Amino acid sequence: AQKITQTQPGMFVQEKEAVTLDCTYDTSDPSYGLFWYKQPSSGEMIFLIYQGSYDQQNATEGRYSLNFQKARKSANLVISASQLGDSAMYFCAMREGSHNTDKLIFGTGTRLQVFP
Amino acid sequence: DVKVTQSSRYLVKRTGEKVFLECVQDMDHENMFWYRQDPGLGLRLIYFSYDVKMKEKGDIPEGYSVSREKKERFSLILESASTNQTSMYLCASSPRFMGANTEAFFGQGTRLTVV
Repeated sequence: AQKITQTQPGMFVQEKEAVTLDCTYDTSDPSYGLFWYKQPSSGEMIFLIYQGSYDQQNATEGRYSLNFQKARKSANLVISASQLGDSAMYFCAMREGSHNTDKLIFGTGTRLQVFP
Repeated sequence: DVKVTQSSRYLVKRTGEKVFLECVQDMDHENMFWYRQDPGLGLRLIYFSYDVKMKEKGDIPEGYSVSREKKERFSLILESASTNQTSMYLCASSPRFMGANTEAFFGQGTRLTVV
């Protein structure tokens, strides 16, 4: 069954340091996509980065990169040079690519707090 | 500017009432989703739809139903609201095709309180 696990309820990082948020997933579908979203205290869901199961390279978007280890079924988000504005909830999500299984499921999230 | 709009930001309903949460998207997306978000539990999928009049149960469909009569609109229905349905409800839409630039877009959420 499709499943996403985020084992870190909360993380602290000092400004300008890098931080890794963990995400592991489980699926039997060879075609899938992995997403990371940020939810600040305002409540909006902001898309950060996408990784496809067949992508050869790890995805990067500015200060965000995805450490994709397919054999270990992990898709960790790396935020470089943390900023105070990065304090938020972060959710990992997965979607399977097979026909009629367009479920998009989320993990329980990690609350990141950046301190000066 | 792409947009997913939920009809209410805050709702207070009484136990036993029938409650409708409406969601409209203007991106011509095939997929639409309803989630509830509770502290420590993340976003849990209630129902999703991949086409007009098509629906699939998510992980927690009990006590809910949905309706999708038009492509742009996806309604969540609480047949008889109960206090344990007090939560934040999020609607999202995405293209049917999966790949780069096919992320889901979310509405602003509806905070429902059942008293």
